[in-house]
Amino acid sequence: QQPVQSPQAVILREGEDAVINCSSSKALYSVHWYRQKHGEAPVFLMILLKGGEQKGHEKISASFNEKKQQSSLYLTASQLSYSGTYFCGTLDRGSTLGRLYFGRGTQLTVWP
Amino acid sequence: DTGVSQNPRHKITKRGQNVTFRCDPISEHNRLYWYRQTLGQGPEFLTYFQNEAQLEKSRLLSDRFSAERPKGSFSTLEIQRTEQGDSAMYLCASTSQETQYFGPGTRLLVL
Repeated sequence: QQPVQSPQAVILREGEDAVINCSSSKALYSVHWYRQKHGEAPVFLMILLKGGEQKGHEKISASFNEKKQQSSLYLTASQLSYSGTYFCGTLDRGSTLGRLYFGRGTQLTVWP
Repeated sequence: DTGVSQNPRHKITKRGQNVTFRCDPISEHNRLYWYRQTLGQGPEFLTYFQNEAQLEKSRLLSDRFSAERPKGSFSTLEIQRTEQGDSAMYLCASTSQETQYFGPGTRLLVL
């Protein structure tokens, strides 16, 4: 039930783009993306609630392919502040309690 | 700052001692979750409250763990007879609809 994230780590130069993928073996109701900096709590980025939905947050956007049970997070023109670990959390279709399953995270490092 | 607060932020204890953590959710949020996070992992679900009712507990939550949410406001998580394997970050999250907002966490180290 834990989603699988890829890649495990990404190293970028400032201004480069990155894509982080999240896939589940279960039918999904929603996908939640968070960024966590070392020693801090996860910070909510965005939620995708229905298949095909795309959302944006500054230069960070995401898509949700309900049929493939996958979501992707797109970071464009990366900034130093984007460094951190990105987690996807998935809510299974049919869940009534809102319990999220989180992937192991993708560590993103942006260098100047 | 998400509006969710947790205390203490850090706790060091000796094996066998009891510890209690507190979470104050965003005031209008009726749902509250506890997660545990170890190094290199994502948060793992522990338990869930809707108002004062504890509706689900993970199998990760052994008998040494207990959580309460009296009056549907703040919540406490107690670990009895702590073990070294309990060392982790304990996160609380609250929500009223879909988005879960996390508190800063309590980092527990069991010596």
